[in-house]
Amino acid sequence: DQQVKQNSPSLSVQEGRISILNCDYTNSMFDYFLWYKKYPAEGPTFLISISSIKDKNEDGRFTVFLNKSAKHLSLHIVPSQPGDSAVYFCAASVIRGAQKLVFGQGTRLTINP
Amino acid sequence: NAGVTQTPKFRVLKTGQSMTLLCAQDMNHEYMYWYRQDPGMGLRLIHYSVGEGTTAKGEVPDGYNVSRLKKQNFLLGLESAAPSQTSVYFCASSYPNIRQGRYEQYFGPGTRLTVT
Repeated sequence: DQQVKQNSPSLSVQEGRISILNCDYTNSMFDYFLWYKKYPAEGPTFLISISSIKDKNEDGRFTVFLNKSAKHLSLHIVPSQPGDSAVYFCAASVIRGAQKLVFGQGTRLTINP
Repeated sequence: NAGVTQTPKFRVLKTGQSMTLLCAQDMNHEYMYWYRQDPGMGLRLIHYSVGEGTTAKGEVPDGYNVSRLKKQNFLLGLESAAPSQTSVYFCASSYPNIRQGRYEQYFGPGTRLTVT
């Protein structure tokens, strides 16, 4: 029973265009959501997060949208750059307690010149 | 600041052997975590700790033990390694910033373990 799902294993986007990565969750107890970026042979790097009391959070080229009724979140990257090519993981947690993360399977994003 | 460091970076074990993975953080974080990542899957939580001297089980704890004797260190032990424990292991730490509403975890570079 996967509580966090990323249904697209890969995504290819042209440089300069918008990249949209999607994530769905099933557990309505989750109240904090995060996106991590991972390069090969490195640990995940925190990108951006959003609390369930918000529906949008922006940080530079990165925006995360949360639709609680649909249990869906998305990450928008505008404009996409070659250095954005990596695997992106969404994760969810419950703020109360140890904030244990539940991860999706990841989406490999490739930015083409 | 080194952040989160892990040793070793690579290790090959034979079935039945034991080993300890070391995680260290210099950010004075209260919470620490061990995850494993397998091909095509996201990271899964093995064990975690919310403070020195405390540990708890995560989603996939079987075959692993942990200890948090010092705040900055979190050790993951495999008493009798099995091929199913071939994986990449990541350690993470965090400090719940309630005032700012920030709860992100910071990850180490990983340990690639192969059990033959």
